[in-house]
Order: sequence, then structure tokens, then C-alpha cells
Amino acid sequence: EAGVAQSPRYKIIEKRQSVAFWCNPISGHATLYWYQQILGQGPKLLIQFQNNGVVDDSQLPKDRFSAERLKGVDSTLKIQPAKLEDSAVYLCATGQGGGQNIQYFGAGTRLSVL
Amino acid sequence: AQKVTQAQTEISVVEKEDVTLDCVYETRDTTYYLFWYKQPPSGELVFLIRRNSFDEQNEISGRYSWNFQKSTSSFNFTITASQVVDSAVYFCALSVRSGGYQKVTFGTGTKLQVIP
Repeated sequence: EAGVAQSPRYKIIEKRQSVAFWCNPISGHATLYWYQQILGQGPKLLIQFQNNGVVDDSQLPKDRFSAERLKGVDSTLKIQPAKLEDSAVYLCATGQGGGQNIQYFGAGTRLSVL
Repeated sequence: AQKVTQAQTEISVVEKEDVTLDCVYETRDTTYYLFWYKQPPSGELVFLIRRNSFDEQNEISGRYSWNFQKSTSSFNFTITASQVVDSAVYFCALSVRSGGYQKVTFGTGTKLQVIP
């Protein structure tokens, strides 16, 4: 079974530029999460999708971050414009949903904003 | 609100020593799930175990064991006879039902270094 695919693995941009991350979930997984993990900290949930609907985006900085999940499958996370404090690893996780809620993580995208 | 506390930021042990990683959680819900994830240097979090709030049985899987105690709101993780491959950051997480979906809260992680 293929795992969660994320791209790119690394991205370096200058502040005020735009960047997009892509996530392809495990087939059949209804729930998809985007996390921001700053060095030395735990994952912080940015947005959670159930199929193609948003169920939690309370911690997403909506003035600069946006995310969508196309047809309930792939998802993209965009930052526009980026700030220095956005430097972090962006993790995508997916799950079957429901109470079991085991999350399967991708390798992440390491973003450096200069 | 939910909260997960991992008070140990970093732990170093010598190979073959036993080590326990602490996790304390807070929730008012009576139904919840607890998890442990491992994040090796490669960066990808890997699921280790899930426990629901109604199952306080301890679990052992090889060198790993978990002790769940509702009375102290703790879900501790012990590695017996640690190995260098156990070096990683370990996260405890809590999942509760909120508004029709499961809301997950991660702790800040404990970095374990196993010295050969």
C-alpha cells in the first residue's frame, strides 16, 4: 500500500514570495490534515478535511494561508505571501476517519523563508 | 479544552538501558483516544499505538510497553533494552470528538537519544 506522498521535500523562498505544497493521501482515506511543525515543537494542526469539506481551520492564518482538497483526494496548501516565521516543516497526514483516527504521515516539506 | 503534556524535553540513555517517556493529558470528555507516534531523524511520524479511554489494560509489543492510568491521566511509554535505532522524537497525542469529528492534540515531544 502506497503511503502519503508529499512534494516538494524542500523549498527555499524569500519573504513575500508564494509557495504551494502538495499532498496525495492513501487511497480511500477520508480525513486529511495539514500540520505545521516548527523546529523543536510538536505538530500544530492548520486545517483538517473530511472528504473535500473543511471541518477545522481554526488555527489557519487565513490572511496568508489557504488550502483545498480536490474531489476529496489530493490537497494543496498555499502560503501567500510568506513570512520569515513560516519557516517550518509542513506535514500532511491522512486517516480513515472515525474514532480510530490513526494518522499516517507523509515525509513533510521543509520550508525555509529567507 | 484538551491538553497533552510531555514534560521531558530530552532524554539520553546508554544502549540497553530501559527508559520511560511520560505523557499526561487533560480532557473533560469520557470517551477519547490516546496515541504515541515516533519521529525518527528522517522526519516522518510513525504510528506506534492507540488506546481508547475504556481500555486500561497495559500493552506490550516486543521491547515497547505502555501504561495507561486514568486515575493519574497518564499514558507512559517504556522502551526496554534501548537500542540506537530507538533514537527519535516521540509524541503523545489525544483525540476527542468535537463537533462531529475527531480533534487531535499533540504534545511537544520527547527527544530520545540512545548512546552506543
